[in-house]
Amino acid sequence: GENVEQHPSTLSVQEGDSAVIKCTYSDSASNYFPWYKQELGKGPQLIIDIRSNVGEKKDQRIAVTLNKTAKHFSLHITETQPEDSAVYFCAGHAGGTSYGKLTFGQGTILTVHP
Amino acid sequence: EAEVAQSPRYKITEKSQAVAFWCDPISGHATLYWYRQILGQGPELLVQFQDESVVDDSQLPKDRFSAERLKGVDSTLKIQPAELGDSAMYLCASGYNDDTQYFGPGTRLTVL
Repeated sequence: GENVEQHPSTLSVQEGDSAVIKCTYSDSASNYFPWYKQELGKGPQLIIDIRSNVGEKKDQRIAVTLNKTAKHFSLHITETQPEDSAVYFCAGHAGGTSYGKLTFGQGTILTVHP
Repeated sequence: EAEVAQSPRYKITEKSQAVAFWCDPISGHATLYWYRQILGQGPELLVQFQDESVVDDSQLPKDRFSAERLKGVDSTLKIQPAELGDSAMYLCASGYNDDTQYFGPGTRLTVL
């Protein structure tokens, strides 16, 4: 099955700096990679996703890049704000199924200091 | 904006008792998922429905867990009997017939 590794486990930045979180996956057939933001006591919120036919996708201050050859993808947050502080999860869609079975990384605790 | 609804939000129970969680997916979403999230970890899939049919329950502890989605809309996840190790956040998600999944707020279960 799919295995997703996420790094770093914790990330601390100053407000206005950029933050980068990286994930690697094992299943070369995986073709969909979402990122979720989870605030304390809440469910994960989809913030951006990318499919294997695209190398980069951007939405305002958030961007995701995908390197299929190396089997890794990254989340980039620019101009970080205190409200960006949360746990971020990457996920990969397990190949071989027509239904959306996601395997999640272990999460990154992002802290943005004012 | 449509959201996935879950209830209750919090549940405290004693071990060996039965508990049930309810989920109402976003209208029109055929696929429904139940996940378990242990504190400090990512969500892990328990069961996946396509309409009223189970398409994946390989990670569901079937000796004590059951799930149903009788009319292909809302769903119930049950644990009987609850064990101490079941303390976790139980998340419901829904989606169209593709990969994108939207999560509800979750039910925080504490087993004493």
